[in-house]
Amino acid sequence: KQEVTQIPAALSVPEGENLVLNCSFTDSAIYNLQWFRQDPGKGLTSLLLIQSSQREQTSGRLNASLDKSSGRSTLYIAASQPGDSATYLCAVRWDNFNKFYFGSGTKLNVKP
Amino acid sequence: NAGVTQTPKFQVLKTGQSMTLQCAQDMNHEYMSWYRQDPGMGLRLIHYSVGAGITDQGEVPNGYNVSRSTTEDFPLRLLSAAPSQTSVYFCASSYDSSGGEQFFGPGTRLTVL
Repeated sequence: KQEVTQIPAALSVPEGENLVLNCSFTDSAIYNLQWFRQDPGKGLTSLLLIQSSQREQTSGRLNASLDKSSGRSTLYIAASQPGDSATYLCAVRWDNFNKFYFGSGTKLNVKP
Repeated sequence: NAGVTQTPKFQVLKTGQSMTLQCAQDMNHEYMSWYRQDPGMGLRLIHYSVGAGITDQGEVPNGYNVSRSTTEDFPLRLLSAAPSQTSVYFCASSYDSSGGEQFFGPGTRLTVL
């Protein structure tokens, strides 16, 4: 059964720290993986999409890596800011019909 | 572009009532899907569509119906609402099946009493 796991469920860091959020998945034969940000009471905002043929993607202070053989993706946030506080979700797609499977998310709090 | 829009934003139903959650996108995306989000459980796929006239079930389809008569619209119908359907519902779309990025609507918060 395909499963996506995000640990830890919550993370609190002081402003300015570099941090890594983890996403693991049970089957290495993925199609792609997408990272999202969700603010309280809001929808999901796409951050980065990594195709199965890619090793990483970067956008500003964000860098997402993909290691299919170990079933892991990481989202690296450089120089964290209080505005980065949100829940971060990863979603994995294993087939060609746009069925994404989501992890439960990591709730990040960046303290000023 | 308005992107993915959902109506209503909030809804309260009584057990047994029926209703339709609306979802529309103006990006000419072929693929659309419905998710529900419950505390501590992430998002779970209810139904999805790979194009007009084509729909399929996701992880948790029971109690929900969908149809896709146009590329733009993908309504979700609750046939007989139950308290277990209290949740936040999100609609999403993406361009095609070649690895496209998913875009999400703002969600509908549904309470069933």
